[in-house]
Amino acid sequence: GAVVSQHPSWVICKSGTSVKIECRSLDFQATTMFWYRQFPKQSLMLMATSNEGSKATYEQGVEKDKFLINHASLTLSTLTVTSAHPEDSSFYICCGTRAGANVLTFGAGSRLTVL
Amino acid sequence: KQEVTQIPAALSVPEGENLVLNCSFTDSAIYNLQWFRQDPGKGLTSLLLIQSSQREQTSGRLNASLDKSSGRSTLYIAASQPGDSATYLCAVNTGNQFYFGTGTSLTVIP
Repeated sequence: GAVVSQHPSWVICKSGTSVKIECRSLDFQATTMFWYRQFPKQSLMLMATSNEGSKATYEQGVEKDKFLINHASLTLSTLTVTSAHPEDSSFYICCGTRAGANVLTFGAGSRLTVL
Repeated sequence: KQEVTQIPAALSVPEGENLVLNCSFTDSAIYNLQWFRQDPGKGLTSLLLIQSSQREQTSGRLNASLDKSSGRSTLYIAASQPGDSATYLCAVNTGNQFYFGTGTSLTVIP
């Protein structure tokens, strides 16, 4: 079945640094990649939707300059949290889907802790 | 806007019991509905996908049903096991976006 590899699975960084999270679709071409954020004991909050080769579409309230999303190829999408602060600490999950399939394949998630 | 609700929010059952998790959505114009499992600190694992034209899907001890007209889906778990303990989420695909419920946290007691 379709697999999305997400890494790092766990990252701790100092306040003010930038962190990049990568998601790779291993056996399918992810024409669309969704990026979600999940707070403890809550459901997933959609941050942005990115289509390969296009600029990401951000949900209301999500700062596009803080959460940089790149989807330069059909198998790789990245989320960079710039100048991270403790309030950015969260669980970030990517999800890929291929054109016409309408089926979600999730990465394993990345837990970010900002000190 | 589509709203997805899952009831109950938490459920605790003894091992061996059959159980039903509920998912309701407000707009019946959907492409499909997907049930996921999430273990603590992990990503989501797809369990079952039901297309809008289907009434149910089965995989092992899991059976998911869909009643699009009433905006409801259920996930039936037969003969529950401690390993089934996790959070279960449903996601509704409207074609433009996926909407997630808040999940049901299931604990199966040995």
